[in-house]
Amino acid sequence: GAGVSQSPSNKVTEKGKDVELRCDPISGHTALYWYRQSLGQGLEFLIYFQGNSAPDKSGLPSDRFSAERTGGSVSTLTIQRTQQEDSAVYLCASSSRQGAEAFFGQGTRLTVV
Amino acid sequence: GESVGLHLPTLSVQEGDNSIINCAYSNSASDYFIWYKQESGKGPQFIIDIRSNMDKRQGQRVTVLLNKTVKHLSLQIAATQPGDSAVYFCAETPNTGGFKTIFGAGTRLFVKA
Repeated sequence: GAGVSQSPSNKVTEKGKDVELRCDPISGHTALYWYRQSLGQGLEFLIYFQGNSAPDKSGLPSDRFSAERTGGSVSTLTIQRTQQEDSAVYLCASSSRQGAEAFFGQGTRLTVV
Repeated sequence: GESVGLHLPTLSVQEGDNSIINCAYSNSASDYFIWYKQESGKGPQFIIDIRSNMDKRQGQRVTVLLNKTVKHLSLQIAATQPGDSAVYFCAETPNTGGFKTIFGAGTRLFVKA
């Protein structure tokens, strides 16, 4: 499709396991964002990729979180040794350069049990 | 500043009334602003945008007002309907620093029938 695609849509994992969340942005969009949203709360910025520039990782909550973007397209957010407080919806968004509208995926709901 | 998962403030309005949602933005270098609507279980979606060379922009039933002097943005929804119930986020994009979009904390709008 033409929108931002995230997979899986739901993920249940055991505490201590590693998880990978995938984001396929809109083709041609150079900017890609990851956010985390806990139930009933706002958007918590995690990381921002813009073209070939070094990513802005200032929002990553701990060194258990990492993200990469391969070939300027697909991005993977990895959470190592998951904890219960990591349970949330993880949203990905992409936009064209110059700060245009961001298009969001449906999110991945992560539950750590 | 960047949203860090704050508990959302709530605005409750009667169906048919006008709603006004306010947002204070942080960066005087921001020159592009967007309002997003997030319905339950979905990612945020674009409603309306405005650039810093304007102070008002109108869409269908929605109006965005920008006051650069006090760094304030508002979203007005005319004749609010039950389908308008959602969380509303403002977002700013500066013309520096890689054009990273920053989201506000969000406001939950509840429309009473």
